[in-house]
Amino acid sequence: EAEVAQSPRYKITEKSQAVAFWCDPISGHATLYWYRQILGQGPELLVQFQDESVVDDSQLPKDRFSAERLKGVDSTLKIQPAELGDSAMYLCASSLGEVQAYEQYFGPGTRLTVT
Amino acid sequence: DAKTTQPTSMDCAEGRAANLPCNHSTISGNEYVYWYRQIHSQGPQYIIHGLKNNETNEMASLIITEDRKSSTLILPHATLRDTAVYYCIVRAADQTGANNLFFGTGTRLTVIP
Repeated sequence: EAEVAQSPRYKITEKSQAVAFWCDPISGHATLYWYRQILGQGPELLVQFQDESVVDDSQLPKDRFSAERLKGVDSTLKIQPAELGDSAMYLCASSLGEVQAYEQYFGPGTRLTVT
Repeated sequence: DAKTTQPTSMDCAEGRAANLPCNHSTISGNEYVYWYRQIHSQGPQYIIHGLKNNETNEMASLIITEDRKSSTLILPHATLRDTAVYYCIVRAADQTGANNLFFGTGTRLTVIP
């Protein structure tokens, strides 16, 4: 069964450093999502792509976070500079399309620890 | 703003049915009810979704009340592997973005041997 791939699985970085996460969605999935999940809370949507275009990035802290999906396939989420409060699980998900019946498939996530 | 209300936690005996409630009293006509679960240290997993009819698949059944203000996810024979956080999400069919994909804090289901 096809899966969403994410790397790295774990990342420890120091405050003020740059960090990047990679996501490869299921082949053929046009919609890609990046979520942040703080311990004890549900996932929070950061950014949503439809193909290579950003559909929603209203919750993305744009002063330090950036996301791209240049060829409409894989995607990179970057944080620069990292802050202590960025420690969380970063989840990538993909779906066939954006609307109604297309469920999202999630990757295993990248757990970020900022020291 | 949360569109759904779920109990914080529930226990269920192994082999018994687990019934997880969700209140969504402000649901609109074009909003679907989705259920996902998240096993510890893994990404969320889609379970089932429905609009107004009851739905069943290999994982679970979804019972939606006639007024659509609440629903119940049923795991017919809970196993230890069903221990997870279960999220009930209300999502509009024709909308996108952060307001349309709100997970909340979910219900932590513990299946007891």
